[in-house]
Amino acid sequence: GENVEQHPSTLSVQEGDSAVIKCTYSDSASNYFPWYKQELGKRPQLIIDIRSNVGEKKDQRIAVTLNKTAKHFSLHITETQPEDSAVYFCAVGGATNKLIFGTGTLLAVQP
Amino acid sequence: GAVVSQHPSWVICKSGTSVKIECRSLDFQATTMFWYRQFPKQSLMLMATSNEGSKATYEQGVEKDKFLINHASLTLSTLTVTSAHPEDSSFYICSATRSGMSTDTQYFGPGTRLTVL
Repeated sequence: GENVEQHPSTLSVQEGDSAVIKCTYSDSASNYFPWYKQELGKRPQLIIDIRSNVGEKKDQRIAVTLNKTAKHFSLHITETQPEDSAVYFCAVGGATNKLIFGTGTLLAVQP
Repeated sequence: GAVVSQHPSWVICKSGTSVKIECRSLDFQATTMFWYRQFPKQSLMLMATSNEGSKATYEQGVEKDKFLINHASLTLSTLTVTSAHPEDSSFYICSATRSGMSTDTQYFGPGTRLTVL
């Protein structure tokens, strides 16, 4: 089955800096790659997603890049703000009707 | 649109009792609902996939007789944790996909915090 690895597990940046989180996957049939933000005790919130026919997608300060050949995709957050502090999960879907989640990255933005 | 609710938001029960958690799609019909479990500081682990009117499909390692799932309508799925034990204490989250829409997009409920004493 699909195996999703996510790095780093924790990331601390200064306010205004950029943050990058990377995920790798194993199933070449996967074609849907969403990113979720989860605050403590809350539901995961979809922040951006990309499908395999696109290499990059951007939404204001957030972007996702996909390298299907290498089977990895990354979340890029620019001009980070304290309210960006949360746990971020990547997920992989499309090969089946299920989403397989990465292990999560705790992002701390220091004011 | 695409709101999913869960009830209760938190529950405390004694070891050996059963607990039922409801997941509802409030403003759409849900073809498929998913149940996840999330332990502290860990990721979401898929427990089972349920389709309206059919038996749930459980992930490897999830006991179907312990975690009973019923998806009786296009807007409601229930998860019953039977004979709960302290190790079942966790954050249970459901999600739903919208009928007629991409099955990739899942709308998540707010979660239910279960504590078994």
